Amino acid sequence: EAGVTQSPTHLIKTRGQQATLRCSPISGHTSVYWYQQALGLGLQFLLWYDEGEERNRGNFPPRFSGRQFPNYSSELNVNALELEDSALYLCASSSLDRAGGRGYTFGSGTRLTVV
Amino acid sequence: DQQVKQNSPSLSVQEGRISILNCDYTNSMFDYFLWYKKYPAEGPTFLISISSIKDKNEDGRFTVFLNKSAKHLSLHIVPSQPGDSAVYFCAASHGSSNTGKLIFGQGTTLQVKP
Repeated sequence: EAGVTQSPTHLIKTRGQQATLRCSPISGHTSVYWYQQALGLGLQFLLWYDEGEERNRGNFPPRFSGRQFPNYSSELNVNALELEDSALYLCASSSLDRAGGRGYTFGSGTRLTVV
Repeated sequence: DQQVKQNSPSLSVQEGRISILNCDYTNSMFDYFLWYKKYPAEGPTFLISISSIKDKNEDGRFTVFLNKSAKHLSLHIVPSQPGDSAVYFCAASHGSSNTGKLIFGQGTTLQVKP
């Protein structure tokens, strides 16, 4: 069984540009979660999507947005990039009855560098 | 406001000895706690969890202890092995509200020396 896949692995952008990160969940998982891990910090919750709907959002500005497609894959978009957006962005998936951290599977992440 | 804290950024132990990783939380509404392990260039992997109705959960070499009155949990690894060297994150959730959100600590880097 394929795990959670994220692309690209690395992304370098200039301040002010937009970044798009992609995530494919495990087959059968309907929930996708996005987390940010900045240097020296723990994982910070960004977004939760399930069945195409945004279910919850973390304490991040509106320039962080995303969506979930009918095949349950997801995109995270970061607009007007700032230097402090440089971080590892992790995606996780679960089936809804295993939400709340029970049964999360994480991808390997996208390392975003803003210069 | 850091609701989950891991106050030790790093820990070094000798192979075969016990590793104890600690985690404190402030939100009494948390009802489920998890430990994740993360190797460089990989995503976190689930290690062990505990519900707030229990005070101990064991899985092989890994045991998690929960002290609700102190709002403290710990992960014991016995015996420690070099392959256990990784960053360990504790996390908490408020399952009954089903926010889908895990609150993570900052992580503790464990080094197990051969």
